[in-house]
Amino acid sequence: QKEVEQNSGPLSVPEGAIASLNCTYSDRGSQSFFWYRQYSGKSPELIMFIYSNGDKEDGRFTAQLNKASQYVSLLIRDSQPSDSATYLCAVKESGTASKLTFGTGTRLQVTL
Amino acid sequence: KAGVTQTPRYLIKTRGQQVTLSCSPISGHRSVSWYQQTPGQGLQFLFEYFSETQRNKGNFPGRFSGRQFSNSRSEMNVSTLELGDSALYLCASSLSPTEGGYTFGSGTRLTVV
Repeated sequence: QKEVEQNSGPLSVPEGAIASLNCTYSDRGSQSFFWYRQYSGKSPELIMFIYSNGDKEDGRFTAQLNKASQYVSLLIRDSQPSDSATYLCAVKESGTASKLTFGTGTRLQVTL
Repeated sequence: KAGVTQTPRYLIKTRGQQVTLSCSPISGHRSVSWYQQTPGQGLQFLFEYFSETQRNKGNFPGRFSGRQFSNSRSEMNVSTLELGDSALYLCASSLSPTEGGYTFGSGTRLTVV
């Protein structure tokens, strides 16, 4: 069974701090990695995706991928109360398969 | 441009009934996937369609089925509803199975009583 693991949290960070969200996956053949944000009662919203080892930055968000360690993370700089949500890590296996396997999500709370 | 549109937004059905949910992908997106989200199991993959063909199926019973039309719109059907089918059903679209991320619709909240 291919698995994606996330700490459920809540992860509490003060406003303006860096939030670090982590995700590990079991399938070494995984090629694409996605971070979604989900507010309570809403559907998941794609924040970033990353395919290659290293860092990918988009505004206040940085995704980091280490395929050797089977580890992907999301950093949120200058955290804002509006960032409070559940962050879902999703992994897509290689080849033509298109199924996303999701972690159970990490709940982030940004405090004033 | 318009996002992924799912209808209806809410449904209440009785055990044993069947239900059909609809999804219109983003214009130009030809891949449509369906997911079930529950508090206990999180997001679980149901199936994926591309060019009117089911390309991948998750571990759900045969009561769950779907199809895709030539205009890429998709429907999923659940027959003989059970209480455990109560969930948020999400549709996601992408350009193709191998291109880019998946954009989710607002979902259909199904309650089985």
